Amino acid sequence: GAVVSQHPSRVICKSGTSVKIECRSLDFQATTMFWYRQFPKQSLMLMATSNEGSKATYEQGVEKDKFLINHASLTLSTLTVTSAHPEDSSFYICSARGPQLAKNIQYFGAGTRLSVL
Amino acid sequence: QQQVKQSPQSLIVQKGGISIINCAYENTAFDYFPWYQQFPGKGPALLIAIRPDVSEKKEGRFTISFNKSAKQFSLHIMDSQPGDSATYFCAPYSYNFNKFYFGSGTKLNVKP
Repeated sequence: GAVVSQHPSRVICKSGTSVKIECRSLDFQATTMFWYRQFPKQSLMLMATSNEGSKATYEQGVEKDKFLINHASLTLSTLTVTSAHPEDSSFYICSARGPQLAKNIQYFGAGTRLSVL
Repeated sequence: QQQVKQSPQSLIVQKGGISIINCAYENTAFDYFPWYQQFPGKGPALLIAIRPDVSEKKEGRFTISFNKSAKQFSLHIMDSQPGDSATYFCAPYSYNFNKFYFGSGTKLNVKP
């Protein structure tokens, strides 16, 4: 199956700093990538959908100026949490879908555990 | 607005037993009905999925049963094994909205 790599797997940062998370499709071109957030023992909540070369579409209630998403190439999307605060601590997961894949097929990365001190 | 309701929240099953997880949805515009398996600290992985024109699909020990009129679908794990211990999510997909709607998850613990 298709492989999606997410980096880093875990990051600890100080309050007020920015953190960048990378999501790469290793063996296919990802025209669409999704970013999810998951709190402990809770479900995945879609934050935004990004299409290569265009602006991301954010879900209601997600601050686009705080969670910056860039999808500049067909194999890489980044999520930057700006001015992180302790309440941003969460598990962030990306998924990717390629042009050759059906729209209903997405492959997930392993996730990034963000801890803001 | 909660469109997908998953139950139970947690489930304990003895090795060799049958695990059953249910998912009820409100939106009739869903087009694809997958179940995802997630291990701690990992992203979800597609386990099995069904289209709405089929009432049942079986892949090895895993079966999806789909009841379109009741707007429900369930995951059955036969001969449950300790290695099946994970959190399971239903996540019906809408082509129209290009989104997956994740259920709240079911934590399965299969005791040896």
